[in-house]
Amino acid sequence: AQSVAQPEDQVNVAEGNPLTVKCTYSVSGNPYLFWYVQYPNRGLQFLLKYITGDNLVKGSYGFEAEFNKSQTSFHLKKPSALVSDSALYFCAVSHMNTGFQKLVFGTGTRLLVSP
Amino acid sequence: DAGVTQSPTHLIKTRGQQVTLRCSPKSGHDTVSWYQQALGQGPQFIFQYYEEEERQRGNFPDRFSGHQFPNYSSELNVNALLLGDSALYLCASSPVWGGENTEAFFGQGTRLTVV
Repeated sequence: AQSVAQPEDQVNVAEGNPLTVKCTYSVSGNPYLFWYVQYPNRGLQFLLKYITGDNLVKGSYGFEAEFNKSQTSFHLKKPSALVSDSALYFCAVSHMNTGFQKLVFGTGTRLLVSP
Repeated sequence: DAGVTQSPTHLIKTRGQQVTLRCSPKSGHDTVSWYQQALGQGPQFIFQYYEEEERQRGNFPDRFSGHQFPNYSSELNVNALLLGDSALYLCASSPVWGGENTEAFFGQGTRLTVV
């Protein structure tokens, strides 16, 4: 069964420093991986996805993610964090069943960026 | 483009009651999925609708049911509410032709509190 793990409940970083939010996955077949962000009392916003090709994927708001097949990881990164990046981040893997996609989410990582 | 819209935004119900949540998908999307996000957890897949039929279902009891209308909008019904049903309910839409690598668009969610 497809699954993702986010080993850190919370990541703290100072504004202007680089940030990394970790995600590892377990899938059968080709992995289709996603990152979503959730602000308080809001739904999920799509950040980026990995389908195939270049292992470094660029997404919204300056975020990028690095796919590493040998380590089964898909870590989210940003070169310079902003206080406004503080939110809850979810990694997800796509699973097809009977021809329809569903997303399997990790438990989320809270990112706190301090001024 | 209005994106995915859900109503109501907040709801308080009593144990044993029934509730109906509503979702309008993003323009051009014909597949609607529902997720339950309990406090401090990642979203969990409930079920998915396409062409007015339930196409796949997660590990949720029959108290959870749904419907999709010809205009692709959808309802989630929960009967005999339990305290444990308190959660943020998220609706996501996507185009069925997108396949496994398509990002889903999420609404802002409905916060259900069962007392």
